[in-house]
Amino acid sequence: EPEVTQTPSHQVTQMGQEVILRCVPISNHLYFYWYRQILGQKVEFLVSFYNNEISEKSEIFDDQFSVERPDGSNFTLKIRSTKLEDSAMYFCASSYETQYFGPGTRLLVL
Amino acid sequence: AQRVTQPEKLLSVFKGAPVELKCNYSYSGSPELFWYVQYSRQRLQLLLRHISRESIKGFTADLNKGETSFHLKKPFAQEEDSAMYYCALSATDSWGKLQFGAGTQVVVTP
Repeated sequence: EPEVTQTPSHQVTQMGQEVILRCVPISNHLYFYWYRQILGQKVEFLVSFYNNEISEKSEIFDDQFSVERPDGSNFTLKIRSTKLEDSAMYFCASSYETQYFGPGTRLLVL
Repeated sequence: AQRVTQPEKLLSVFKGAPVELKCNYSYSGSPELFWYVQYSRQRLQLLLRHISRESIKGFTADLNKGETSFHLKKPFAQEEDSAMYYCALSATDSWGKLQFGAGTQVVVTP
């Protein structure tokens, strides 16, 4: 059964550094999402992406965040200048009807 | 704004006992409701959705619009049901964005 994959599984970075989190959605899916979960808190929506553009974003998704689908297969989330509070588990999801989630990338900002 | 409330952080039940996970929502429109499950060290996966009205792994959930609830039930809990359960809502005017509850950790003891 096809699955959403994410790389890396873990990333440690220094505050102020840029990070790129990568996702490979399921191939025939049309909608793509990023969510995050800060330790001990609920899963929060960041952004949805359809037809090569952002369809909706949350207030968390400020100018420091960007998403891209550069080559028709990968779906990336970039954080330009990481802050301590960006430390979280980041989940990618894709859907045709039902959202399927990736295993997540645990980001730790020091 | 939409909101999903799961009042129980932890539910501990004995094997063979019934289990009910509560979920209440607030949304002025017609929502789509889901239950997602996350087993230890695994990804979030869809357990069931209200529009399909099916039973998965013995679990059922009925959307009660009057009480704005979507409680998850299983008559006889099994040890393999131990997991984190998330109730989620998708609004009709969103691009599939999921609004999650805080989650309920279910522990089934023998």
